[in-house]
Amino acid sequence: GENVEQHPSTLSVQEGDSAVIKCTYSDSASNYFPWYKQELGKGPQLIIDIRSNVGEKKDQRIAVTLNKTAKHFSLHITETQPEDSAVYFCASLYSGGGADGLTFGKGTHLIIQP
Amino acid sequence: EADIYQTPRYLVIGTGKKITLECSQTMGHDKMYWYQQDPGMELHLIHYSYGVNSTEKGDLSSESTVSRIRTEHFPLTLESARPSHTSQYLCASRGTSSYNSPLHFGNGTRLTVT
Repeated sequence: GENVEQHPSTLSVQEGDSAVIKCTYSDSASNYFPWYKQELGKGPQLIIDIRSNVGEKKDQRIAVTLNKTAKHFSLHITETQPEDSAVYFCASLYSGGGADGLTFGKGTHLIIQP
Repeated sequence: EADIYQTPRYLVIGTGKKITLECSQTMGHDKMYWYQQDPGMELHLIHYSYGVNSTEKGDLSSESTVSRIRTEHFPLTLESARPSHTSQYLCASRGTSSYNSPLHFGNGTRLTVT
């Protein structure tokens, strides 16, 4: 089955700086990579996703990059703000797996220091 | 905002009691899921359903059971609660309009068994 590794588990950055969270996956058949943000007391919410035929996608201050050869994808947040503090999860989706094959990373706790 | 609702938000209950965690979605999604989230943040899939009368066990073994009698409703039941069941439970759903349609989460039920 698929295995998704996410690093780091905790990331502390100064407000205004950039944050990068990295994930690797094991199954070359994976073709969809969403990122979720979970704020305190809430469920995870989709913030951005990328499909395997695309190398990079941007949405204002967040971007995701995908390297299919190396089987890794990353979330980039620029000009970080206090409201970016949350837990972030990467995931990969591959066909043929149970429950649609959606596998999550273990999460990254992002802390924005004022 | 996703239209998926979980009740109750918080539940404190004694050992041995039977409990049902409710989950409803108004999006007409066929696929629904239950995740257990431990204090270390990691999401563990415990049950899923592809549609009415479909239920499957997830990756993490759980003593809970689920039912899917109606498309919009996916309750989770613990026949006899134990302290080891103390956790956050997240319900999610996704449509089938495309292979990689996003997962929508509810805000969770935090269960404490004393």
